[in-house]
Amino acid sequence: ELKVEQNPLFLSMQEGKNYTIYCNYSTTSDRLYWYRQDPGKSLESLFVLLSNGAVKQEGRLMASLDTKARLSTLHITAAVHDLSATYFCAVDMRTSGSRLTFGEGTQLTVNP
Amino acid sequence: EAGVTQFPSHSVIEKGQTVTLRCDPISGHDNLYWYRRVMGKEIKFLLHFVKESKQDESGMPNNRFLAERTGGTYSTLKVQPAELEDSGVYFCASSHPPPGELFFGEGSRLTVL
Repeated sequence: ELKVEQNPLFLSMQEGKNYTIYCNYSTTSDRLYWYRQDPGKSLESLFVLLSNGAVKQEGRLMASLDTKARLSTLHITAAVHDLSATYFCAVDMRTSGSRLTFGEGTQLTVNP
Repeated sequence: EAGVTQFPSHSVIEKGQTVTLRCDPISGHDNLYWYRRVMGKEIKFLLHFVKESKQDESGMPNNRFLAERTGGTYSTLKVQPAELEDSGVYFCASSHPPPGELFFGEGSRLTVL
């Protein structure tokens, strides 16, 4: 059974600081997603990572994928308050028809 | 273009009662998924429709849960009778074939007292 683990689950950081969220998964995967969720809102797709060594950046967020280590990271640079949200990684096993397996989520709070 | 819409946004019921959640996918999306997040844990897959057919229902927890998608448009998820452990947020998502990127709704929060 595929397992996806995120850490930390809770992250409180100050504006301007850098930090990394980690996502480990237990079996080989076809693609990995990062989502953001604001309270009471839908999951917003941030990144899709398709291959080993893939790196994608959008604003202050950068995601990377190491398929050999079965590890993805979401790096936050110079955090701002607007980044406060819950971040989920999810693994897609194409053989199961695009059924996503999610991590528990990282609740990020950026303090002024 | 309208996104995935879910109704109700929040439902509070007593143990033993019935609740029906509805999901309207993005128009033209053949794939429709139900997921749920219980007690702040990971979001778990429940089932996957392709048009009106159940492609994969292996995530449905037990026979108190019934999902339908008549006509291949909107879907309903009925919980009958509801138990305390059914409390959580139920998300619906849809995508184009073959399946493409998933678009999620805002979720329906279910509280069973």
